[in-house]
Amino acid sequence: NAGVTQTPKFQVLKTGQSMTLQCAQDMNHEYMSWYRQDPGMGLRLIHYSVGAGITDQGEVPNGYNVSRSTTEDFPLRLLSAAPSQTSVYFCASSRSSGDYEQYFGPGTRLTVT
Amino acid sequence: AQSVAQPEDQVNVAEGNPLTVKCTYSVSGNPYLFWYVQYPNRGLQFLLKYITGDNLVKGSYGFEAEFNKSQTSFHLKKPSALVSDSALYFCAVRPGYSSASKIIFGSGTRLSIRP
Repeated sequence: NAGVTQTPKFQVLKTGQSMTLQCAQDMNHEYMSWYRQDPGMGLRLIHYSVGAGITDQGEVPNGYNVSRSTTEDFPLRLLSAAPSQTSVYFCASSRSSGDYEQYFGPGTRLTVT
Repeated sequence: AQSVAQPEDQVNVAEGNPLTVKCTYSVSGNPYLFWYVQYPNRGLQFLLKYITGDNLVKGSYGFEAEFNKSQTSFHLKKPSALVSDSALYFCAVRPGYSSASKIIFGSGTRLSIRP
């Protein structure tokens, strides 16, 4: 099992550009989520999905879109990048939304200039 | 509102000494409590959890945590620290029987073990 994979590892964007962060898992997990990690703030939930075709907003969803067309993939789209979106982004998955342990990807470090 | 606090940004311990990383929480109802570890340039890894039962829970890499309901704390401990334990540690809480989307992470404590 590759577990949770994320691409790219690093990305630099200019303000106003759009891009998609990719996330995939090969554990047949129903629940997937996206977090951003900022210094001194822990992880904050952006969006999550409880299964293919179902997504919902987390704590900080503004400026981000998600879709879940398959169980395996959960891409995060930045519509118009802003410097405030400079962060490290983590994708996570678990067997279900009620499961206790989440598995995290290695992260994408995004810088918006 | 639920919250979790890690009062120390950094904890420094000599190798071989016991270590404690502190965590306090506020949540309505019974809490589910977690510790995760993050090594440099890696995602978070699950260490241990408290759901119910024995207040002392054991996890990966020799770590354990003690749930104290009266003090609303869930401190992470290890009897003898290793240099390889140096990492960023996150405490997390969510209300019992809630979805994983309700989990709240603390701000993290950087643990540094000196040889």
